[in-house]
Amino acid sequence: DAGITQSPRHKVTETGTPVTLRCHQTENHRYMYWYRQDPGHGLRLIHYSYGVKDTDKGEVSDGYSVSRSKTEDFLLTLESATSSQTSVYFCAISVFQGAGNTEAFFGQGTRLTVV
Amino acid sequence: AQKITQTQPGMFVQEKEAVTLDCTYDTSDPSYGLFWYKQPSSGEMIFLIYQGSYDQQNATEGRYSLNFQKARKSANLVISASQLGDSAMYFCAMREGGGNQFYFGTGTSLTVIP
Repeated sequence: DAGITQSPRHKVTETGTPVTLRCHQTENHRYMYWYRQDPGHGLRLIHYSYGVKDTDKGEVSDGYSVSRSKTEDFLLTLESATSSQTSVYFCAISVFQGAGNTEAFFGQGTRLTVV
Repeated sequence: AQKITQTQPGMFVQEKEAVTLDCTYDTSDPSYGLFWYKQPSSGEMIFLIYQGSYDQQNATEGRYSLNFQKARKSANLVISASQLGDSAMYFCAMREGGGNQFYFGTGTSLTVIP
């Protein structure tokens, strides 16, 4: 599982409340990603990080912020949750496997429901 | 334009038969990697197979093979001798050599029929 842990695994929250999801890795990989998975859309990139305090936006970053104060932790915050942010959120890391292959490894996912 | 296109929302295959899941990609980067992931009903994302843009041969991993047609920009996954446990969502993905992002398709739901 490449040492990736997401928490919480499930969360129900109310519209308008802030929510933080945590991704923890144990192997000091440089690149970390947050994706959301929705039916008919596959996985879409929210934000990613290429080092401590270095982050960049993905294609669906509105309404989300991230922070990476330590190599091992990448936090995703929904500043004011909306029903459209009900989704399954995946954290991923990229790992260089040799011969030009950099592979993505995923956490177990967090199912977030905004009511 | 979509970076990765999977045009088959759902597929059915008889147990022990082979099945091909389609994937086309769009990039102008000469260096890129193509991936297939499996997502069973339990939800985890499982890496299946990788193909580099400069690889001369099609990638194979057990019952999985990637039919890489560079000129057509297609990277179809072939599963031979389907098993009931192959029933899952399958995602095609790409990473461009000059970038750090992985782009995913919308997925294909495969059902293996006994």
